[in-house]
Parts: sequence; C-alpha cells; structure tokens
Amino acid sequence: DTAVSQTPKYLVTQMGNDKSIKCEQNLGHDTMYWYKQDSKKFLKIMFSYNNKELIINETVPNRFSPKSPDKAHLNLHINSLELGDSAVYFCASSVGQEYNEQFFGPGTRLTVL
Amino acid sequence: QKEVEQNSGPLSVPEGAIASLNCTYSDRGSQSFFWYRQYSGKSPELIMFIYSNGDKEDGRFTAQLNKASQYVSLLIRDSQPSDSATYLCAVIWRRALTFGSGTRLQVQP
Repeated sequence: DTAVSQTPKYLVTQMGNDKSIKCEQNLGHDTMYWYKQDSKKFLKIMFSYNNKELIINETVPNRFSPKSPDKAHLNLHINSLELGDSAVYFCASSVGQEYNEQFFGPGTRLTVL
Repeated sequence: QKEVEQNSGPLSVPEGAIASLNCTYSDRGSQSFFWYRQYSGKSPELIMFIYSNGDKEDGRFTAQLNKASQYVSLLIRDSQPSDSATYLCAVIWRRALTFGSGTRLQVQP
C-alpha cells in the first residue's frame, strides 16, 4: 500500500554511464515532481509534471530527462553521469500544485564513481 | 539571495522543553508555507502547513506566520527525543516547493 514508490533505492554506477530512476504513485494525484538533495542536505526542485505535461524545468543539465508515461508515473533518465550527480533523488506527488501537501517517495541514493 | 533561510543548527533542547524553529522567506507574494520533518536517511514528511497570518495549532506543534515580516516559525511543545530530526521550511515558489536548508533539532533526554 505504498503511496509513492521509487526504484531502485540505491544506485552505484561509473562516470559516463546512463541510468534511470522510476517513480510511481497510487494516490490518484495529478502532479509529480523530482527533487535532488545534495550532500549538504539541500533539497531542490528539478522537474514537475501536471497531467503528463511538463510544468517546471529548473536549471538542470539537459543530461537529465524526465518522462511521464501516465499520471501515476514519472521517470528520470540521466545520461553521461558525472561525479556531481551523486545525491539522493526524491520523487513526490500532490493534488494540484499550489496549496496541497506533497507526498515524498523514499528516495534513490545515486553514487557516481 | 536565497528564497528561504533557516539556521542550520543544531538546536539542542532538553526533553519537555519548547523548541522554536524559525524561517524567513524573500518572496513577498508567497502564499503557502509548509514545515516538513526529515529523519536521517528518510524522506521529508509534512508536519504542518499555514496560509494565513497568525497561529495554527496541531497537537504539540504550532506554526506561526507573519507575512509583513516574511517570517514563519514552528514551535514544538513538550519536546521528545523522537522529535530529533531536521526540520525543513518550504514555500510555494513558481508552483513548486522551495526549501530552506533545514534546522537540525536535537532533543536531549
């Protein structure tokens, strides 16, 4: 009965590789997000999708590409991984964007060697 | 200028005391304010949200908002060791949550 799930939980890979992180929510929400939390624990928005439409695309390298096949899924694909991409990536979902609680997934810890 | 500012702490309080966590924000047009708690290695979870000036209470937690001063605070009464965590203040900015860097709270038994 997990509300927001992410796979994998841990991801260790070499520089230059391409990897994907998957996110699914079973809450019936229409908006999903990707956040990055760096080593200093600073949590920053990367992308937001509303009804499969890209709403927010912050200053993120174009090596990062989100894909939303349907309202319940938002995946994150990262090309040519770099050391600086090492972080915890959180997926979240909400009803609408402005006033409602965002529910976070458990996070994916990405380590680039 | 950072959109949301918090003191990183750690803020150390004895068990049973009141913990006071503070946050300032830069966008005067912000309307929605949130406090999230994050335990080490876990995801953020919502404690409270507040939209109107004044106080909002929920159990041991009270959120206070002063839009004129662009200031949000969270009071935790009767602090427990289980309250030890990082508390993240967040505001809606450009349709997404903008977080402060968090304040680490330590409640000493």
